Amino acid sequence: EAAVTQSPRNKVAVTGGKVTLSCNQTNNHNNMYWYRQDTGHGLRLIHYSYGAGSTEKGDIPDGYKASRPSQENFSLILELATPSQTSVYFCASGVDWGKDTQYFGPGTRLLVL
Amino acid sequence: GNSVTQMQGQVTLSEEEFLFINCTYSTTGYPTLFWYVQYPGEGPQLLLKVTTANNKGSSRGFEATYDKGTTSFHLQKASVQESDSAVYYCVLGDHDAGAKLTFGGGTRLTVRP
Repeated sequence: EAAVTQSPRNKVAVTGGKVTLSCNQTNNHNNMYWYRQDTGHGLRLIHYSYGAGSTEKGDIPDGYKASRPSQENFSLILELATPSQTSVYFCASGVDWGKDTQYFGPGTRLLVL
Repeated sequence: GNSVTQMQGQVTLSEEEFLFINCTYSTTGYPTLFWYVQYPGEGPQLLLKVTTANNKGSSRGFEATYDKGTTSFHLQKASVQESDSAVYYCVLGDHDAGAKLTFGGGTRLTVRP
């Protein structure tokens, strides 16, 4: 069974603080993704990675960095958190290309005060 | 760029009623089309997938047909159950866009017992 886990599941941060969201997958998938989910916008891609050491900008990368230190782990970093980054964040993994299924984690709910 | 439109933000039905969720897309490539379903408190999960080669997909009583002429990919189910209550996302994958998927805004289905 495919498995993508995220930590923390809930996070409260202060404006200007640093936030790191972590994702781990045991699928041995090359690709990993970070999305945010907001009412009325569906899921929007922030950053993605093709493998260890690679990160690519998605559709809304401003204010976010990503790190892929290994095949299994992919982190999303908010260096200076702002209230506009309050959202639910999902990590996903997948094999290759846009024709393959992506497997999502359970999400992290982030509140920036 | 690619885009996906779901005009129905919310749909409310009673059990055993017919479900139809509209989806249209825009791409210059050769798409693979997906429907993902998201239950409360969980990440999205694949419901079904259709490529240009096979035109139609089905899973768990849901059906979707890819129509290249009208660039539509509507989701149907003959008889819904309360357990089908969830958010449904129409999603476009495009080999030319690499590993990225494009999500529609989502349709929240509520089924009354």
